[in-house]
Amino acid sequence: AQRVTQPEKLLSVFKGAPVELKCNYSYSGSPELFWYVQYSRQRLQLLLRHISRESIKGFTADLNKGETSFHLKKPFAQEEDSAMYYCAFHGGATNKLIFGTGTLLAVQP
Amino acid sequence: DGGITQSPKYLFRKEGQNVTLSCEQNLNHDAMYWYRQDPGQGLRLIYYSQIVNDFQKGDIAEGYSVSREKKESFPLTVTSAQKNPTAFYLCASSSVGALTEAFFGQGTRLTVV
Repeated sequence: AQRVTQPEKLLSVFKGAPVELKCNYSYSGSPELFWYVQYSRQRLQLLLRHISRESIKGFTADLNKGETSFHLKKPFAQEEDSAMYYCAFHGGATNKLIFGTGTLLAVQP
Repeated sequence: DGGITQSPKYLFRKEGQNVTLSCEQNLNHDAMYWYRQDPGQGLRLIYYSQIVNDFQKGDIAEGYSVSREKKESFPLTVTSAQKNPTAFYLCASSSVGALTEAFFGQGTRLTVV
């Protein structure tokens, strides 16, 4: 079955430090992967998708099929990056949209 | 605002009663989803629908039921068979296709007493 794993519940860093939020998936085919973000008192929203290979708000994520990973990275964290981040998988035979357990990123001043 | 609306924002029910959560979207999306969000467990998929009059069970469908009679609406009923109904419920919609963005409602917090 398709599964998305985010091993860290909480990641605390200081402003200006690099950030890496880990995401691993289990799927034998070609996955469609996303990162969603939920800022305080806001709706869950799309941050980026792997197919776009884009940088959004300084974040990037590279799909590594060999390691079945899709880690989210940012070289210099900002306080406004503090939020809940979810890795998500879409597709497969069932066409479900499945989310990981989420990682709370706390950027300290 | 947002295009996808959940109501009510807060809901209180007595144990043993069924309760229906509303989800409406005006984005012309074919796919709609219901998730349950609990602390430390992320979003767990309850039911999803890719087209009117059709829906599939997600990973935790037991104790829940849905209908999809209209493209715009995907109500979720929490039945008395659901053992731990108190939770935050999120509805989402998207176009059909693996690469499309899902749009979320603001959620409904259900408390069963």
